[in-house]
Amino acid sequence: DIQMTQSPSSLSASVGDGVTITCRASQSISNYLSWYQQKSGKAPKLLIYAAASLQSGVPSRFSGSGSGTDFTLTISSLQPEDFAIYYCQQSYSTPRTFGQGTKVEIK
Amino acid sequence: QVQLQESGPGLVKPSETLSLTCTVSGDSISSYYWSWIRQPAGKGLEWIGRIYTSGSTNNNPSLKSRVTMSVDTSKNQFSLKLSSVTAADTAVYYCAREGSGSYYRAFDYWGQGTLVTVSS
Repeated sequence: DIQMTQSPSSLSASVGDGVTITCRASQSISNYLSWYQQKSGKAPKLLIYAAASLQSGVPSRFSGSGSGTDFTLTISSLQPEDFAIYYCQQSYSTPRTFGQGTKVEIK
Repeated sequence: QVQLQESGPGLVKPSETLSLTCTVSGDSISSYYWSWIRQPAGKGLEWIGRIYTSGSTNNNPSLKSRVTMSVDTSKNQFSLKLSSVTAADTAVYYCAREGSGSYYRAFDYWGQGTLVTVSS
């Protein structure tokens, strides 16, 4: 199985701050990497696919980069609605695997 | 707009079989992979397995041979059965679609999730 490791596990930030979350795969996954946002009691929502492509309807303050084993999700200017848990996920091979999540909290 | 809706019992007894169905609306179920994903309370996401509309499946080895999936294209539905459940199978269960082509197999549509509790 491909292990996905996110860092940090949690972070505190203020509205307007820039935030970066990293995700590392245990082997190369090319750009078969997605990012999801999950709010309490809701299903995950696709933000970024193919490592860097913005899902339709997602604000442009979200961006993704990386290829191979190292990936990042950047939120350029945190908004109140961005406080949530973020997951990375590989779709290079089965079983599909997710990172453990990064909780973004209000400072 | 594609919508997915999970349905099934919210309470299952230990050692019995959990059965869930996902109904897809807004698009044909054909020519996509459809997955089941679960999330225990306060924990992360675990992929259970997927089924193609031809009926071919891939399961997570962590669940051994407890998983059975099926698809009914006439009803635009797919289903999950998880046998010999224990309390460790208590979770919110989601169904999701793997996007095709340029989506690089991301999960682009999700159901709202359904809580299944394993308890006597």
